[in-house]
Amino acid sequence: EADIYQTPRYLVIGTGKKITLECSQTMGHDKMYWYQQDPGMELHLIHYSYGVNSTEKGDLSSESTVSRIRTEHFPLTLESARPSHTSQYLCASSEGSSGNEQFFGPGTRLTVL
Amino acid sequence: GNSVTQMEGPVTLSEEAFLTINCTYTATGYPSLFWYVQYPGEGLQLLLKATKADDKGSNKGFEATYRKETTSFHLEKGSVQVSDSAVYFCALDSNFGNEKLTFGTGTRLTIIP
Repeated sequence: EADIYQTPRYLVIGTGKKITLECSQTMGHDKMYWYQQDPGMELHLIHYSYGVNSTEKGDLSSESTVSRIRTEHFPLTLESARPSHTSQYLCASSEGSSGNEQFFGPGTRLTVL
Repeated sequence: GNSVTQMEGPVTLSEEAFLTINCTYTATGYPSLFWYVQYPGEGLQLLLKATKADDKGSNKGFEATYRKETTSFHLEKGSVQVSDSAVYFCALDSNFGNEKLTFGTGTRLTIIP
């Protein structure tokens, strides 16, 4: 079954740790996205990719980085986590034509102590 | 730039009540419009969409009509159920080829039995 997966679902870590949030999709989509979701629900695009070896910064500045070495995989890395990084992170993918929906993963809830 | 203004929440209704969640947008050209729903602990999923003026999107008893003259895409349902309790997001794709969605701030809906 075609789907989009995120791991871990929940992560609690200490300040200064390096973390990688995983996102994989089995739909063969070229476009992939990372969103940060406030406790107040608002979504902010922090990174996106149009395909392999393509990454762009989103509308909200983020200290995280992403890579796109394989079509199906779009991991997000924080080199040194801080409490201000505590948030819900949502990954999405789309076929890439205008008007097509984005498919979302279940999210990773990150807490940095 | 593009923007989406969504009805402030939270919204609390009794089961079988009529639901309207207002959404208006600002965009140049002819955007595609979407409603996404986020159930507790999950990512977003597409509820319905419309890609041109006067189109009506519908799914699971929900409807929304793309009104270019009023730049609106209000979500309606005739008789809500407890299972409709979720957060609802209005979004647009400008159709200028960058396939980035602009989201509203979300409306939390709670249905009480």
